[in-house]
Amino acid sequence: AQTVTQSQPEMSVQEAETVTLSCTYDTSENNYYLFWYKQPPSRQMILVIRQEAYKQQNATENRFSVNFQKAAKSFSLKISDSQLGDTAMYFCAFITGAGTYKYIFGTGTRLKVLA
Amino acid sequence: NAGVMQNPRHLVRRRGQEARLRCSPVKGHSHVYWYRQLPEEGLKFMVYLQKENIIDESGMPKERFSAEFPKEGPSILRIQQVVRGDSAAYFCASSPGQMNTGELFFGEGSRLTVL
Repeated sequence: AQTVTQSQPEMSVQEAETVTLSCTYDTSENNYYLFWYKQPPSRQMILVIRQEAYKQQNATENRFSVNFQKAAKSFSLKISDSQLGDTAMYFCAFITGAGTYKYIFGTGTRLKVLA
Repeated sequence: NAGVMQNPRHLVRRRGQEARLRCSPVKGHSHVYWYRQLPEEGLKFMVYLQKENIIDESGMPKERFSAEFPKEGPSILRIQQVVRGDSAAYFCASSPGQMNTGELFFGEGSRLTVL
């Protein structure tokens, strides 16, 4: 079965500090794509960062970076210099192969950035 | 530059009534997806549609649920004879014809409450 596990239901971090959200997944496929989506209180999901499984280099988008460990099937998200606007639910997800659409989502981590 | 538009944002129904949720995809996107988010859970795939075609409805309950994406107008998710277990947030997403990046563009969701 294909699954995504986010073991931290809630986390908090002080403004300007760094926080890491963990995610593990399970799939027998070799070609897949991993994502982190952010769902602010307004509820619209926004793509934060994506990673192709065939790429060894960890993806980075400004203050957001991932630690992708393919053998361990781990895909953690690091947020540097946390800002109040980072407060949101964060979902880890993946799809297998290009052109597919059945995202498998984790249950999410609620992150609160404290002033 | 309108994103995915969903309405209503909130819908309250009594058991046995019908619920209709609408979704207008990003302009130019021809693929629409519906996901359901139950409380404290991740999003679960329901159905994938292209204009006038249901491509994959494997995630949708066999009874009471239906979806369409007509040639003109929004995509509609219809739930007949709602029950309390249908209470959830329903998210619509869209993508261009070719999902080269794998990214889905999500709406803000429609929260259905069944009394």
